[in-house]
Amino acid sequence: DQQVKQNSPSLSVQEGRISILNCDYTNSMFDYFLWYKKYPAEGPTFLISISSIKDKNEDGRFTVFLNKSAKHLSLHIVPSQPGDSAVYFCAASGATGGFKTIFGAGTRLFVKA
Amino acid sequence: DVKVTQSSRYLVKRTGEKVFLECVQDMDHENMFWYRQDPGLGLRLIYFSYDVKMKEKGDIPEGYSVSREKKERFSLILESASTNQTSMYLCASSFREDTDTQYFGPGTRLTVL
Repeated sequence: DQQVKQNSPSLSVQEGRISILNCDYTNSMFDYFLWYKKYPAEGPTFLISISSIKDKNEDGRFTVFLNKSAKHLSLHIVPSQPGDSAVYFCAASGATGGFKTIFGAGTRLFVKA
Repeated sequence: DVKVTQSSRYLVKRTGEKVFLECVQDMDHENMFWYRQDPGLGLRLIYFSYDVKMKEKGDIPEGYSVSREKKERFSLILESASTNQTSMYLCASSFREDTDTQYFGPGTRLTVL
């Protein structure tokens, strides 16, 4: 039973346009959410995070939105660049999880030049 | 610059063999983690350690054990490798107070024949 779901295995976007990656979670005890980015042959790297007390966090071209009532978060990349092509993992953690961060299955983003 | 290294990028073993996967980090992190990554399943936590000689089971510990004799080194052991342990194995580390911002190694792709 996956507590963090990324229902789109892949997404293709034109360079310069907006990329929107979605993530749903089922555990209402999650209070911290993260996005990691993974290039081929490399480990995931932390991208951006958001606490449950906020509904938006922005870092340059990357913005994460959190809708607690819908148990949904999204990552917006504007404008998208070819170098953004990677697998993006959504992750969540909460007080009940202890040290555990729960990861989604990932969404592969293709940004076409 | 944080560096997490894993002993092998690719490994091929036979069913029943004992397999050691080594991970070393150079950031003096207290926490270390072992994940496996499988298509459609994301990253699943096998074991983690929050201090030397301390370990905690993750979500899928069956068939695995770990060892942490030194702070910088965390080893994953497959006592008797099986074909269903063919996977990408990722090691990560973090500071004690920030378990969610994890730094990952490049991964070891293990094939069990």
